[in-house]
Amino acid sequence: GQQLNQSPQSMFIQEGEDVSMNCTSSSIFNTWLWYKQDPGEGPVLLIALYKAGELTSNGRLTAQFGITRKDSFLNISASIPSDVGIYFCAGREETSGSRLTFGEGTQLTVNP
Amino acid sequence: GAVVSQHPSWVICKSGTSVKIECRSLDFQATTMFWYRQFPKQSLMLMATSNEGSKATYEQGVEKDKFLINHASLTLSTLTVTSAHPEDSSFYICSATLLGQETQYFGPGTRLLVL
Repeated sequence: GQQLNQSPQSMFIQEGEDVSMNCTSSSIFNTWLWYKQDPGEGPVLLIALYKAGELTSNGRLTAQFGITRKDSFLNISASIPSDVGIYFCAGREETSGSRLTFGEGTQLTVNP
Repeated sequence: GAVVSQHPSWVICKSGTSVKIECRSLDFQATTMFWYRQFPKQSLMLMATSNEGSKATYEQGVEKDKFLINHASLTLSTLTVTSAHPEDSSFYICSATLLGQETQYFGPGTRLLVL
């Protein structure tokens, strides 16, 4: 099935630094979602994107729906220790109904 | 809003027994619920899509007779792992969508350990 390429796989940064991660697909998506998962818990929705070119912010987080509809990025500004976790992108293809395809995740570590 | 709960949060069982996991949408009606499985350090793998009042749609490679899904109401879906074996040990997560929306809201997950 469709796979999303999410990069980087992991990041080790200092508190206060900005972070950027992205996802790409080989097919067109009409929805992009970004989730954060803490250990032993379910993913929590961070940002939802529904239109090509859309740029949406949620506090220190900003995400964009790529104009080609085949990619999306998530930026975190001024990282803090509680940003630690795994970030997943997820997308929905036009032909997949309500099913989401998930990226492999980006493990973020923030050193105080 | 859009809170999804799961019960139990963790379960340990003997090989050969069946385990039922509940997924509830607490403050909304969910026309569609999804069941995922997640192994350590891996992404979420969709097992099945469940619509209220109809049979679940299983992903390729997921045995429908082993993973029984019931979606009897707009707020409750259950996943029963029948005759569980150690290789079924995993983190099972459900999600739900609001009517007319595409965003999936996830439950907190259920960790299953089969001895």
